[in-house]
Amino acid sequence: AQKVTQAQTEISVVEKEDVTLDCVYETRDTTYYLFWYKQPPSGELVFLIRRNSFDEQNEISGRYSWNFQKSTSSFNFTITASQVVDSAVYFCALSEARGTGGFKTIFGAGTRLFVKA
Amino acid sequence: DTGVSQDPRHKITKRGQNVTFRCDPISEHNRLYWYRQTLGQGPEFLTYFQNEAQLEKSRLLSDRFSAERPKGSFSTLEIQRTEQGDSAMYLCASSPGLWGSYGYTFGSGTRLTVV
Repeated sequence: AQKVTQAQTEISVVEKEDVTLDCVYETRDTTYYLFWYKQPPSGELVFLIRRNSFDEQNEISGRYSWNFQKSTSSFNFTITASQVVDSAVYFCALSEARGTGGFKTIFGAGTRLFVKA
Repeated sequence: DTGVSQDPRHKITKRGQNVTFRCDPISEHNRLYWYRQTLGQGPEFLTYFQNEAQLEKSRLLSDRFSAERPKGSFSTLEIQRTEQGDSAMYLCASSPGLWGSYGYTFGSGTRLTVV
């Protein structure tokens, strides 16, 4: 069965600190996709990144980087030199193929990040 | 295209009443999803469509919930005989693709309050 665990409920950092958000997933499928989404105080969820199970290359996009390790079933997200605008709830998500066709995505409970000036 | 639109933004209803929400996805997207989010939780899967076909419905969804996507365009989510436990943010999202799984574009949501 699908499961996504974000053990960190809240993290508080001071601006310019680096911060890593943890995500551990469970799946029986060999083909699956992993995602991160950001939900700022305004409320609308924003897609950040997608990774498929066959691509373990780490990715960097500006101050954001993602570390995918199949051996530990983890897909962690690091923000370098955090800024106040990074304050939001971040969700990790897992998508598996369904027998009915298409894919079903489930979300973790989220990690609330506070970045203080 | 202006993204995923949901209507209404807020709905307050009395317990026992029926409510209907509408979602207009990005026009090129053939997949449409409904999720529910309560305070402090992640989005919870309700159902999804590929074009007009409803491919899966969550087992958590009671028979009071029904969703449609006629002609594979907009979608509606109806809740019959609302209960206080139905109070939540109802999120609609769409994504492209027939193969694989792609990032969602979410709407702003409909906040339902059952009194």
